[in-house]
Amino acid sequence: EVQLVESGGALTQPGESLRLSCAASGFTFSQFAMSWVRQAPGKGLHWVSAISGSGGSTFYADSVKGRFTISRDNSKNTLYLQMNTLRAEDTAVYFCAKLPVFYWPTGGNLFDSWGQGTLVPVSS
Amino acid sequence: QSALIQEASVSGTVGQKVTLSCSGNSNNVGGYAVGWYQQVSHGPPKTVMFGNSLPSGIPDRFSGSKSGATASLTISGLQPEDEADYYCSTWDYSLNSQVFGGGTKLTVL
Repeated sequence: EVQLVESGGALTQPGESLRLSCAASGFTFSQFAMSWVRQAPGKGLHWVSAISGSGGSTFYADSVKGRFTISRDNSKNTLYLQMNTLRAEDTAVYFCAKLPVFYWPTGGNLFDSWGQGTLVPVSS
Repeated sequence: QSALIQEASVSGTVGQKVTLSCSGNSNNVGGYAVGWYQQVSHGPPKTVMFGNSLPSGIPDRFSGSKSGATASLTISGLQPEDEADYYCSTWDYSLNSQVFGGGTKLTVL
């Protein structure tokens, strides 16, 4: 059974940094692209970033480009999101999501599994 | 303003058939497969439709289709546990970004 468990969410002040992790199990992690999707309080889902199975290709939404960095450690079956220069508008629950393919983008980039999410409040 | 347009709310009674729509253009829905994601009470999303394919464990009362730049999720035989927010998503070639619809709140009366 696929399991994705996010961690690292914490109350953070504007301008500070935070790193999120997503521990994966139940599948061969290195064979699949992964992504981060966030949801601000009371709002809809919003794509943040994605990475290919090897980690060689990364992609970002314009709203986080230059501030966030996605990475993965395939030896530890873990996905990361390094978030720098955080802003109040980054406040959200961050979900990691798995794709059933190696590359991003592929087709419609359909997500087949999701984690429970981790909350990142950004406030002074 | 989301790139993909969904109804804000849809309601139906138990046993009824309801259809949720997701409208885009040739750069997104018209050109790529669409995923549908169910979210109950702001819990984690759950994939209920994978293009036109049903993920393992999802009841076959869920079905997906697409015509041009509009994708649809149909629930035949609505059940109380289907009450949730539903989001569609796909890749947008012109925006070079994954896009989501604004979500449809499905209420089971």
